[in-house]
Amino acid sequence: NAGVTQTPKFQVLKTGQSMTLQCAQDMNHNSMYWYRQDPGMGLRLIYYSASEGTTDKGEVPNGYNVSRLNKREFSLRLESAAPSQTSVYFCASFFGFSGNTIYFGEGSWLTVV
Amino acid sequence: KNEVEQSPQNLTAQEGEFITINCSYSVGISALHWLQQHPGGGIVSLFMLSSGKKKHGRLIATINIQEKHSSLHITASHPRDSAVYICAVSPSGGSYIPTFGRGTSLIVHP
Repeated sequence: NAGVTQTPKFQVLKTGQSMTLQCAQDMNHNSMYWYRQDPGMGLRLIYYSASEGTTDKGEVPNGYNVSRLNKREFSLRLESAAPSQTSVYFCASFFGFSGNTIYFGEGSWLTVV
Repeated sequence: KNEVEQSPQNLTAQEGEFITINCSYSVGISALHWLQQHPGGGIVSLFMLSSGKKKHGRLIATINIQEKHSSLHITASHPRDSAVYICAVSPSGGSYIPTFGRGTSLIVHP
């Protein structure tokens, strides 16, 4: 099915471990995003990539790094996981500028113990 | 700074009731999005609109650009409509970054 695919869906990490969340879209979208969703906080932007080869910080970038590997793929890396990074992570994409439908991945549930 | 406010935060209804969720925003926009998230699930786009009204099944979305306000209506609500409904706006002026409301949690009892 066309859309946004993110992996893994569930992950438990120990404090200090590293991991990468993978995201891929097959809709030829320019813009891709990583959000975290916490109870009562709504969706908060971690990083985004307006186009292939560019990345920018969002609202809550500390503790994360990203790579826009190509137009399809945008990965999020936690270098040294902390319990405060326990959250649900969503990758999203849309084509070009604002005014187009936003597509989300199914979410990645991450627990840091 | 663009703010997106949704009301109510929580909503409980009986099956069959007519439901309205409101969204207000503070800046000019190129589009407004209504999204749905079922418990433990992903986020799906219900509507994207820049003017007027759109209808899909029992769901109706309206927007008043002058008043910077949108409403999502659910007619003949059903327990399967229980979900979080999220309003998001795409600011005008070429911004790449949508702004999201905190969501409205809807529970429909049979």
